[in-house]
Amino acid sequence: QKEVEQNSGPLSVPEGAIASLNCTYSDRGSQSFFWYRQYSGKSPELIMFIYSNGDKEDGRFTAQLNKASQYVSLLIRDSQPSDSATYLCAVKAESGGYQKVTFGTGTKLQVIP
Amino acid sequence: DTEVTQTPKHLVMGMTNKKSLKCEQHMGHRAMYWYKQKAKKPPELMFVYSYEKLSINESVPSRFSPECPNSSLLNLHLHALQPEDSALYLCASSQDHPNLNQPQHFGDGTRLSIL
Repeated sequence: QKEVEQNSGPLSVPEGAIASLNCTYSDRGSQSFFWYRQYSGKSPELIMFIYSNGDKEDGRFTAQLNKASQYVSLLIRDSQPSDSATYLCAVKAESGGYQKVTFGTGTKLQVIP
Repeated sequence: DTEVTQTPKHLVMGMTNKKSLKCEQHMGHRAMYWYKQKAKKPPELMFVYSYEKLSINESVPSRFSPECPNSSLLNLHLHALQPEDSALYLCASSQDHPNLNQPQHFGDGTRLSIL
């Protein structure tokens, strides 16, 4: 069973702090990794994607990928109350000749004012 | 607002009704997806269309019938649904193979309630 695992949380951080969200995956053939933010009752919104080992930064967000450890993370600097949402890790891999995206169960982030 | 448009936003239907969910994108993407999402759960893949051909069917019951009339449109026809089918139905699109790295972009979803 190919899996993507996340801690469901909630992860509570004070406003202005760094929030660290983690994700592990089981399929070593996975090639692309995505972080989505989902507010309650809304659809997932793409935050970042990464496919090479190392760090990728975009504004307050940094995605980190370590393929050897099968681990991808998302750091949110200067966390704001508006960042409070569920963060979904998604992993893309080829399966049976087609690309499939598998989602983790999501981590609920609460930023406390 | 997203670049993937889904209609209707909300749908309430009885178990004997027939209805359709619609999805449209004009980003030139050649892969389109239907997902089902229950509360507090991640999206579950239902169908994938690649270049207007059904490429993945995740063993979805036949009461759900997808249709891809052209590269910009994706429909999901519903018939004789069960109460447990009540969920948020999400459409997504992406550039497809050979570029594996492109993300999926989601529409706002259709919230479906089965009475």
